[in-house]
Amino acid sequence: QQQVKQSPQSLIVQKGGIPIINCAYENTAFDYFPWYQQFPGKGPALLIAIRPDVSEKKEGRFTISFNKSAKQFSLHIMDSQPGDSATYFCAASRQTGANNLFFGTGTRLTVIP
Amino acid sequence: NAGVMQNPRHLVRRRGQEARLRCSPMKGHSHVYWYRQLPEEGLKFMVYLQKENIIDESGMPKERFSAEFPKEGPSILRIQQVVRGDSAAYFCASSPGQGRDEQFFGPGTRLTVL
Repeated sequence: QQQVKQSPQSLIVQKGGIPIINCAYENTAFDYFPWYQQFPGKGPALLIAIRPDVSEKKEGRFTISFNKSAKQFSLHIMDSQPGDSATYFCAASRQTGANNLFFGTGTRLTVIP
Repeated sequence: NAGVMQNPRHLVRRRGQEARLRCSPMKGHSHVYWYRQLPEEGLKFMVYLQKENIIDESGMPKERFSAEFPKEGPSILRIQQVVRGDSAAYFCASSPGQGRDEQFFGPGTRLTVL
C-alpha cells in the first residue's frame, strides 16, 4: 500500500513558470514532510522540509504548502529554470520511533528554456 | 565535510553470487538507513541501523538480505545468492539522530544482476 501518493507523474513547464507538485498521505502519525530532488544517476538531495505546526515554508524559490486537515502538502517552484529539471520526491515520516521515510512515486519535471 | 559515501558505485553480479554494498555516514551521524529504488519508482525503505544495532528491518526481505553497522567501519548491506529481481539502485542515508530528522543520501550503488 502506497503510504504517500504523489501527482502528477510528469510535468513540463516553460522557464519562469511555477510548477506545482502535490502529495497526500493517510497516516496521521506522520509529522515530518521533506522534499527531495534527484538528478539522473545521483542520490536524492534534501530540498526543503516542513512540520505540521506551520502551513507554509519558503526557502529561496521553493515553497511547501501544508494542509493538515486535508492531509495534503505541495511543492511550488517559483521562477523555474532549466536547471530545475529533475525528479522530485515527497516523503513523510514519524518523528518518534523508527523514522524511516515513506516516499511518493516521484514527479519528473522538465523546464523548457 | 564529506557527505555520505557509498561504494562501489556500480556492481555487476551473476545470479547466485553475493553482493556487498558499503556505506559510510556523514561525520557525526550515528543513524543509517538503506533504501532500494527500482527504475522509474520511488525509494522503498529497507532497514534502519544505529551503531551495532538493527532498529527496524521491516522493509528488508526475510531471506538473502542482511545488514550491519559495526562499531568501527562502514555499514554493510549484504545480498546473498542474488537474483535478477535484485537489480536496482541501493541508497544509504544518514542522520544525526537526537531528535533531528533530516536524512542525507549517498550517491547510491547500482546493482546489476546478469
